[in-house]
Amino acid sequence: EVQLVESGGGLVKPGGSLRLSCAASGFTFSHAHMNWVRQAPGKGLEWLGRIKRKIDGGTRDYAAPVQGRFTMSRDDSKNTLYLQMKSLKTEDTAVYYCTRSSLDYGDYVYWGQGTLVTVSS
Amino acid sequence: DIQMTQSPSSLSASVGDRVTVTCRASQSINNYLSWYQQKPGKAPILLIYAASSLQSGVSSRFSGSGSGTDFTLTISSLQPEDFASYYCQQSYTTPITFGQGTRLDI
Repeated sequence: EVQLVESGGGLVKPGGSLRLSCAASGFTFSHAHMNWVRQAPGKGLEWLGRIKRKIDGGTRDYAAPVQGRFTMSRDDSKNTLYLQMKSLKTEDTAVYYCTRSSLDYGDYVYWGQGTLVTVSS
Repeated sequence: DIQMTQSPSSLSASVGDRVTVTCRASQSINNYLSWYQQKPGKAPILLIYAASSLQSGVSSRFSGSGSGTDFTLTISSLQPEDFASYYCQQSYTTPITFGQGTRLDI
């Protein structure tokens, strides 16, 4: 059974940093493209970025609002995806989901349960 | 960036109704279009991928159509468990973008 389990969310002050983790199981993590998506309270879904599998170069793409502040990484030996967030703003308050892309059409069959990040003084 | 415009943003319907949600892309995305259902406090669930392919395990009352820039999600006969929010997503190119969502209420 595929599982994605996020952790690391919490309360952080504006300007602070936080690192989220996403532990994957039930599939060959190194073969997968992985993503982060967030959802602010009462709002829609927002894609944050994708990290490709290493055989496809491991390239990372980011959404404009987080480019330069957020960094995605992966440790295939630990089956874990990370999101390092810095210079956090109040508007970064959201539930953060990790997802696995399908390799053909890029859809997201698998989602984690989400972890809440609250940026507030 | 490719903008995804969903309509309507909200919709009231009744059990048994046939409902259609539309999604328009600002440029052609071929058929790289997915539809998701989300209930409060839960992660989204994939319903349709590649514009018209039904995800395994999803009820056949859900269907998708379209290609290029115009897409539709149809629920043939609403059931109580279908009252939720629905999102389209293009995965043709990065940045990946979602529609703003459609809230389906009783």
